[in-house]
Amino acid sequence: TQLLEQSPQFLSIQEGENLTVYCNSSSVFSSLQWYRQEPGEGPVLLVTVVTGGEVKKLKRLTFQFGDARKDSSLHITAAQPGDTGLYLCAGAGAAGNKLTFGGGTRVLVKP
Amino acid sequence: NAGVTQTPKFRVLKTGQSMTLLCAQDMNHEYMYWYRQDPGMGLRLIHYSVGEGTTAKGEVPDGYNVSRLKKQNFLLGLESAAPSQTSVYFCASSGGETQYFGPGTRLLVL
Repeated sequence: TQLLEQSPQFLSIQEGENLTVYCNSSSVFSSLQWYRQEPGEGPVLLVTVVTGGEVKKLKRLTFQFGDARKDSSLHITAAQPGDTGLYLCAGAGAAGNKLTFGGGTRVLVKP
Repeated sequence: NAGVTQTPKFRVLKTGQSMTLLCAQDMNHEYMYWYRQDPGMGLRLIHYSVGEGTTAKGEVPDGYNVSRLKKQNFLLGLESAAPSQTSVYFCASSGGETQYFGPGTRLLVL
């Protein structure tokens, strides 16, 4: 069974501060996805990283896939209250059609 | 284009009762999934389907059954509900690696 551990579980910061969320595993994944989930809704895909060492930027969000494709990080610069939500990482196996989700990181950005 | 829809949105069951959760997608996706989400545990895969007429077990299949009689629908059944099945259930569909999620069904088993 492939496991993904996210840290921290909860993060509370002030508007304008930076934050980093980590996603770690002992298993290799063919790709790693990050989702954001708002209360009462399903998760929505933010980004997919495929290549070891890959870095992707989405406005103030920077995603990195580890060289060995076992870990990933999400960095938010100058966080805003609209960034509040549950962030989930998910790893895809070789077949690509099943995902293993991490436990999630709940982010609260206070104005 | 509604994407992925789930019914009902909320349900309360007594222990031992049965119910069926319905998931529908209008994106012509081959793959469909049922997950449960519990605090601090992310999403855990219950069952999934790689096409019409096929189903397979996920990580936590016990106590649940599924059917995929039509490509656009994926049903999740609880034959005899237990309090441990209190959770939020999400359906998702996929045409590749990206999964599109429904809004969830909140189930409380007393």
